Amino acid sequence: EVQLVQSGAEVKKPGESLKISCKGSGYSFTSYWIGWVRQMPGKGLEWMGIIYPGDSDTRYSPSFQGQVTISADKSISTAYLQWSSLKASDTAMYYCARLRIAARSGHYFDYWGQGTLVTVSS
Amino acid sequence: DIQMTQSPSSVSASVGDRVTITCRASQGISSWLAWYQQKPGKAPKLLIYAASSLQSGVPSRFSGSGSGTDFTLTISSLQPEDFATYYCQQANSFPHITFGQGTRLEIK
Repeated sequence: EVQLVQSGAEVKKPGESLKISCKGSGYSFTSYWIGWVRQMPGKGLEWMGIIYPGDSDTRYSPSFQGQVTISADKSISTAYLQWSSLKASDTAMYYCARLRIAARSGHYFDYWGQGTLVTVSS
Repeated sequence: DIQMTQSPSSVSASVGDRVTITCRASQGISSWLAWYQQKPGKAPKLLIYAASSLQSGVPSRFSGSGSGTDFTLTISSLQPEDFATYYCQQANSFPHITFGQGTRLEIK
């Protein structure tokens, strides 16, 4: 069974750093891209970026380039999303998801983690 | 960047109703479109990919159609568990991923 298990909720102060995780199991972790999606309170889904754990190739949405860092450790089947200096506007639910790519059907997120709630408040 | 616009933003319907949600792309995306369902407090779930292919395990009352710029998600006979928010996502140009703003399906 494919599973993506994310780290727990975080409460941080503005200016602090944070790294959240997403552990994959039940499939070949190095063979699929993993993406991160932000959902601000009461809002829609925003794609942040993706990483290919096999070679750490990383692509960012222009909206998030330079704002976050996506990484992966294939030895422990875990992807990460990190911030060096959080802002109140980073308060959101963050989801990781496995990206399925098929030549005749495009690229879609077929399995999702349960989400990590990040709250940034002074 | 390709923009995705869903309509309506919200819709009220009753159990047993047929409901259609539309999604329009700002430029042609062939059939590279997916639909997701999100229930409150839960992660999104893939329903439809490639505009009309049903993801494994998704009930057959869900169907998708369209190509180019105009797409629809239809629920043929609403069930109580279908009340949720639905998002479309374009999958035309890797790695770019754009979601629609969502359509909230509420109980009338």
